[in-house]
Amino acid sequence: EAGVTQFPSHSVIEKGQTVTLRCDPISGHDNLYWYRRVMGKEIKFLLHFVKESKQDESGMPNNRFLAERTGGTYSTLKVQPAELEDSGVYFCASSQDIPGTGRNTIYFGEGSWLTVV
Amino acid sequence: RKEVEQDPGPFNVPEGATVAFNCTYSNSASQSFFWYRQDCRKEPKLLMSVYSSGNEDGRFTAQLNRASQYISLLIRDSKLSDSATYLCVVNYYGQNFVFGPGTRLSVLP
Repeated sequence: EAGVTQFPSHSVIEKGQTVTLRCDPISGHDNLYWYRRVMGKEIKFLLHFVKESKQDESGMPNNRFLAERTGGTYSTLKVQPAELEDSGVYFCASSQDIPGTGRNTIYFGEGSWLTVV
Repeated sequence: RKEVEQDPGPFNVPEGATVAFNCTYSNSASQSFFWYRQDCRKEPKLLMSVYSSGNEDGRFTAQLNRASQYISLLIRDSKLSDSATYLCVVNYYGQNFVFGPGTRLSVLP
């Protein structure tokens, strides 16, 4: 079974440009998350989709970031225009709630490493 | 106060040593608890899920104390390959997963 896949794995863009990151969750996982780790900091939550709906987007830093999950399958995270402080690694993760147990486990993609110069 | 806090580290231990990491969480409604390990420039990978008072998997033992809102990870007979950052992760059902800052472990030959 394929894991969480992300594209691109690495991206170097100039300040002011636009970058779109893509995430394909594990098949059948309703929950999709975006996280970010900037240099020297801990992993921070950005947003959470349940199927195609945004369950929680409290972690999105500002309106330069736009996430979508049309059809409840793959998701995209667009940064426009990119700033220097957006550099970091963007992790996508997915999970599936196990009904009646209150349990789920989150699985991560390998990350998209973004460098804004 | 951060939602999930961990020992600041780093921990530098010799091969074969036993090492313990601590984690505390502030949300008493948290339901699921995990330890992930993250190697340099890699994604976090699940090490252990902790659903009850604790569980053991080979050299790794995780314990959960809900009353004290505390989770621990014990690594016995540490190997060079155990060198990584260990992340404590807490989840409230249906909500997002909250990460601690991580504790870095270096196992020395």
